Amino acid sequence: GDSVTQMEGPVTLSEEAFLTINCTYTATGYPSLFWYVQYPGEGLQLLLKATKADDKGSNKGFEATYRKETTSFHLEKGSVQVSDSAVYFCALSTSFGAGTTVTVRA
Amino acid sequence: KAGVTQTPRYLIKTRGQQVTLSCSPISGHRSVSWYQQTPGQGLQFLFEYFSETQRNKGNFPGRFSGRQFSNSRSEMNVSTLELGDSALYLCASSLAMGKSLAESYEQYFGPGTRLTVT
Repeated sequence: GDSVTQMEGPVTLSEEAFLTINCTYTATGYPSLFWYVQYPGEGLQLLLKATKADDKGSNKGFEATYRKETTSFHLEKGSVQVSDSAVYFCALSTSFGAGTTVTVRA
Repeated sequence: KAGVTQTPRYLIKTRGQQVTLSCSPISGHRSVSWYQQTPGQGLQFLFEYFSETQRNKGNFPGRFSGRQFSNSRSEMNVSTLELGDSALYLCASSLAMGKSLAESYEQYFGPGTRLTVT
């Protein structure tokens, strides 16, 4: 069936470090892909999305490019802040990755 | 625009009881999906309703059921509660959840209902 596989954490970084979270998908056709973020004690919120191949989604300094040839949608941020500490989920429709817990230390 | 609201926020029930959770979607959104979130299993899809009809269903036993009303508000019911049903139950609304994956839209999540079964 359709699914996503996400790099598992936890990931601990220092402020201003580079962050990458890997996500690959399995699906028929060309689905829309999403990254959601869950801050401590809150529900999930959409971080960014891409609806077709080679699209780049971006928001709050985060970026992800929809790569059809590698069936990937990796999340990146060039310089993380303490406020980026959260759980990040890659998603395809109703299928969510396991979530990656990111902790950024000052 | 008001976000997705869920009630109650916290609930404690005893094994064997039943529970009903409520979700009010964002105004104009016709699709409501329910998810169970646990530390061990992550986020698992329960079911999705669109225009009062269940369109998609995850792999959960029949004890889990739902419905959607004409105003798009949705309820989820769990009968004969088990200890393993303790979880955060999240509701998400969307403009639509297309029949094909290519049509899926972003979802807007509520804060969740924390259910504890003792």
